[in-house]
Amino acid sequence: SSELTQPPSVSVSPGQTARITCSGDELAKQFAYWYQQRPGQAPMLVIYKDIERPSGVPERFSGSSSGTTVTLTISGVQAEDEADFYCQSADSDGNWMFGGGTKLTVL
Amino acid sequence: QVQLVQSGAEMKKPGASVKVSCKASRDTLADYYIHWVRQAPGQGLEWMGWINPQSGGTKYAQKFQGRVTMTRDTSMSTVYVELSSLTSDDTAVYYCAKYPQIQPWVGLQDWGQGTLVTVS
Repeated sequence: SSELTQPPSVSVSPGQTARITCSGDELAKQFAYWYQQRPGQAPMLVIYKDIERPSGVPERFSGSSSGTTVTLTISGVQAEDEADFYCQSADSDGNWMFGGGTKLTVL
Repeated sequence: QVQLVQSGAEMKKPGASVKVSCKASRDTLADYYIHWVRQAPGQGLEWMGWINPQSGGTKYAQKFQGRVTMTRDTSMSTVYVELSSLTSDDTAVYYCAKYPQIQPWVGLQDWGQGTLVTVS
C-alpha cells in the first residue's frame, strides 16, 4: 500500500525557519495537504493543493513540491507554532493516507 | 459556515459495536463529503473513509472493510460511523471532517471536536 514518510521530529529556535518533508510515490501524481495539530485539539488545515494557504493561516506557512517530496516551510517560527504536523494525500483509487506526523519543537 | 458537532464519549466492551454521530450545526451536510479520521492515544492520524450524505455513497479504507459502516439520516443533517467487533486497538479519538463537493481539492478545512471511544 502507498505510504507517506515524515521525520518524527524537527527542532528550531524562535525566528528561524522550519522545514518538514513528506515523501511518497503518490505525491508525484496527487496533491498534498498539511495539517497542524496542537495537543488536545482537532487538526487544522494549513496548506492544500501542495502550495495553497487557507484564509486565516499566517503567511509564514508555505508549501512546495518536487517530484515525490513535498515540504512544509514555516518562516520566522513562533512559540505558538509548536505542534504535530501531518501530511496527507491519496492514491489513484481515492484511498487517503496520512504521514506518520512530525513533532515541531520550538526551542 | 456549517460547523460539525460530534456525539459524546463512549466506553465499550471488547466485541461490541460503537456508533458515533456528526451533526451539522445548521442547515445540512448535503453539499459536503464527510470523512472520518481516528487517532489512537499518542499516535498519528488514520483515515477511515468517507460518505456522501446526498447520495449515501461511501468509500472505506481497506483496513476497516467489513467492520465499518457510514450512514446518514434522511434529513442529511447527521452522519454516523459505526465500528463493530471492537478491540482495545480501536481505543481512539474519532473525528469527522468535511470539504465541499464542488471543491474537493480544498482539503478538510472543518473538523468536529472529536469523540473519544474507549474499549476496555
